[in-house]
Amino acid sequence: GQNIDQPTEMTATEGAIVQINCTYQTSGFNGLFWYQQHAGEAPTFLSYNVLDGLEEKGRFSSFLSRSKGYSYLLLKELQMKDSASYLCAVKDSNYQLIWGAGTKLIIKP
Amino acid sequence: DTGVSQDPRHKITKRGQNVTFRCDPISEHNRLYWYRQTLGQGPEFLTYFQNEAQLEKSRLLSDRFSAERPKGSFSTLEIQRTEQGDSAMYLCASSLGETESSPLHFGNGTRLTVT
Repeated sequence: GQNIDQPTEMTATEGAIVQINCTYQTSGFNGLFWYQQHAGEAPTFLSYNVLDGLEEKGRFSSFLSRSKGYSYLLLKELQMKDSASYLCAVKDSNYQLIWGAGTKLIIKP
Repeated sequence: DTGVSQDPRHKITKRGQNVTFRCDPISEHNRLYWYRQTLGQGPEFLTYFQNEAQLEKSRLLSDRFSAERPKGSFSTLEIQRTEQGDSAMYLCASSLGETESSPLHFGNGTRLTVT
C-alpha cells in the first residue's frame, strides 16, 4: 500500500525554528509537494522537490532524500500567522498525488 | 488571475437529497481536480479532467457521485441520494499540467453537511 506519515501536531514558539518531517512509501516517485492550510481555508502551495537536497524559499525550506523516502519542511523566524496545517503529498508512478493527513502547527507567543 | 472559485461555500441538505456543486478554475488551466477532505485528514482524490475529458475517477467513488466539465471550463460535481457519510469539505483544484511540478491551485471548498 501507499503511505505518507507526518506528525499529527507540533508546537513551537514565535521567532523560533521548526522542522516538520514527512516519510513516504509509494509505488514510484515523481516529486513531493508541501502545502499550507489554514483552518477552514484551501491548501496553498509552498514547495516542490524532485531531486535530493534543499530548496530554500524565504523563511521556508524543504529537503528531500529519495533513498530514505524522507522530506522535511523547515520554517524559520516563526510568526503567529504560520499556525496552520502543513500537508505533504507525493506524486506516485501514475502521477497521482498521495496526501499525508497533515501536521497541525501551533505557534505560541 | 482571480483564483479557483467554488459555489456554494456551504450546503446543508437532508439525507436522500441530491446536491450539485460548481467549480470555476483559473482560466488558462487545463486540468481540474475534485477532492474530498474531512477534519484532520489530507485531501482524498475523487476525479480529474484534462480539458473536457474525465481521465480518472477514484475506485472508491460511489456511483452516486458524478462530475462533468462540459466545455473544458467550469465543472460540476453532483451527489445523488446523499448519505450522512458524505458530509465533508469538497475541494476543487486546477493546474496548468504542463510539467509534473505544476502545483495545484485550490478553491476554498464547499462544506457539505448531510442531516
